Amino acid sequence: DVKVTQSSRYLVKRTGEKVFLECVQDMDHENMFWYRQDPGLGLRLIYFSYDVKMKEKGDIPEGYSVSREKKERFSLILESASTNQTSMYLCASSLQGAIYGYTFGSGTRLTVV
Amino acid sequence: RKEVEQDPGPFNVPEGATVAFNCTYSNSASQSFFWYRQDCRKEPKLLMSVYSSGNEDGRFTAQLNRASQYISLLIRDSKLSDSATYLCVVNRDGNNRLAFGKGNQVVVIP
Repeated sequence: DVKVTQSSRYLVKRTGEKVFLECVQDMDHENMFWYRQDPGLGLRLIYFSYDVKMKEKGDIPEGYSVSREKKERFSLILESASTNQTSMYLCASSLQGAIYGYTFGSGTRLTVV
Repeated sequence: RKEVEQDPGPFNVPEGATVAFNCTYSNSASQSFFWYRQDCRKEPKLLMSVYSSGNEDGRFTAQLNRASQYISLLIRDSKLSDSATYLCVVNRDGNNRLAFGKGNQVVVIP
């Protein structure tokens, strides 16, 4: 069963901490994405990557960075966590062209206190 | 104009009834269209792709109207298990990025 795996289901961090969210896919997909989802705001794209070592800013990249050193792994980094980054974070992957849509991981619910 | 617009609802539907909802999209060059289902506190999952000719998958029917730039989803014989949020999804830039609507919340009532 193909899947996208996110390292943590729930995470609680303190303000100012550096936070790493990991995502691994086993489908040999070229594209990987990080979204956050908040009530009333829907899914918002943070960063995405078309290939290893490539990254592109999404709609809300401020306060985040990413790393893609291997094709199967895409990491989201919160450089200095703040309370307004409390959210559900969803990783997704797709084939080139996204003609079959995205496959999502089960999400990480991050709380920053 | 937002890339993808949906009426959030909720759509309260008696069990066994039919429910239909639309979403509109702004990019006339969009080529790929999907409906995703998202259960409470879960990740979105692909329900079905939407083709120009329309398509059906069991009790679910999707239609695309390119001229008016909307897609629709119809659910027949609603089940309690159909209660979820249905996200309308359209490709953004003819390549790899998809735009997600905020979803239509469906609540099937016994």
